[in-house]
Amino acid sequence: KQEVTQIPAALSVPEGENLVLNCSFTDSAIYNLQWFRQDPGKGLTSLLLIQSSQREQTSGRLNASLDKSSGRSTLYIAASQPGDSATYLCAVLQEGGSEKLVFGKGTKLTVNP
Amino acid sequence: GAVVSQHPSRVICKSGTSVKIECRSLDFQATTMFWYRQFPKQSLMLMATSNEGSKATYEQGVEKDKFLINHASLTLSTLTVTSAHPEDSSFYICSAEDVGAYGYTFGSGTRLTVV
Repeated sequence: KQEVTQIPAALSVPEGENLVLNCSFTDSAIYNLQWFRQDPGKGLTSLLLIQSSQREQTSGRLNASLDKSSGRSTLYIAASQPGDSATYLCAVLQEGGSEKLVFGKGTKLTVNP
Repeated sequence: GAVVSQHPSRVICKSGTSVKIECRSLDFQATTMFWYRQFPKQSLMLMATSNEGSKATYEQGVEKDKFLINHASLTLSTLTVTSAHPEDSSFYICSAEDVGAYGYTFGSGTRLTVV
């Protein structure tokens, strides 16, 4: 059974700092991995999608890496801003066509002005 | 990009009543949609997979008679919480996959409060 773990559960940083969020998964047989952002009481916003054959994806100040064999992904946020404060979730899609996403519990990020 | 619209965003209902939540894919067709539930400080838990034109597939422990799912068209799935109780109060989110490069797109969620 796939399990997704995100560390740390919460993170507080001053504005301008670069930071890394970690995601690990127990079963490396994944189709892709996706990072989401969730603001309080809101739905999810997709940030980056990495296919299993890819090593990283970049969008603006965000960079996500994937090491499928070791079951790890990181989300790097450069020059953090207070508007980046949210909960960040990673989710993996299993191989085999189940179409089910398995989510981590998220990392709650607070960027202080 | 792909957009999923979920309605209502917030609903308060009395115990024993039923509530319907709609999930629409606005600019793409979705043969499969997913319904999730999220308790405070917990991750999303998949409740069921909604398949257009056929019965939904429910995850273990989810009561199919309580959470009725209808996926009558390629752009609309509905979740009806029947005979709601306070313990059904939660945040419900739907998602759908656009077979392009967008991965899964999520609705904005529905906050259900049963009083």
